[in-house]
Amino acid sequence: QKEVEQDPGPLSVPEGAIVSLNCTYSNSAFQYFMWYRQYSRKGPELLMYTYSSGNKEDGRFTAQVDKSSKYISLFIRDSQPSDSATYLCAMSSLTGGGNKLTFGTGTQLKVEL
Amino acid sequence: GAVVSQHPSRVICKSGTSVKIECRSLDFQATTMFWYRQFPKQSLMLMATSNEGSKATYEQGVEKDKFLINHASLTLSTLTVTSAHPEDSSFYICSARVAGGADTQYFGPGTRLTVL
Repeated sequence: QKEVEQDPGPLSVPEGAIVSLNCTYSNSAFQYFMWYRQYSRKGPELLMYTYSSGNKEDGRFTAQVDKSSKYISLFIRDSQPSDSATYLCAMSSLTGGGNKLTFGTGTQLKVEL
Repeated sequence: GAVVSQHPSRVICKSGTSVKIECRSLDFQATTMFWYRQFPKQSLMLMATSNEGSKATYEQGVEKDKFLINHASLTLSTLTVTSAHPEDSSFYICSARVAGGADTQYFGPGTRLTVL
């Protein structure tokens, strides 16, 4: 079993839809949770960073962490074609050597006109 | 803020040659930089962690003599792929952690290496 599981998609939605992206994890030591967006042939771009359980909102993006269920989500409201990309969840632990990140496999999202 | 650059963005070389890739943090100091490799439609695979002024820490299965890493300053780390072979063709991405900052990494745009 992988430490971080993420549905690879692809996920196709119409413009304006609410998108829900999710990751589950098995390591209870994970404390920091991040979502990155990666366009084709580009480096990942940090979207959201959260620490511990709860919600965090930034514009059209909301990150949600449920540590009791070992489950994190990213919601995108009013999705746009420019949101079409691969979304990677990543996490690390307080004691993780060298602050290494553990990534999900990424979910490919396509927002259609 | 937190911009990371990589050079070159794309390189094609002959088998047996060595290729150097630079990773720079442009507007912050990075005590720690990371090097990843990414295959098409797959996630990032951590190759090594690079700390300024000390030897890099390589992940299991990554040949340190093959992938030489140098982190000579707080804003520059280099990855040299020595005696490159076609199986080394990949997308190499670096990231940098802000010195004294939270546990986040900022990524460079990546370098596409093709070995003929």
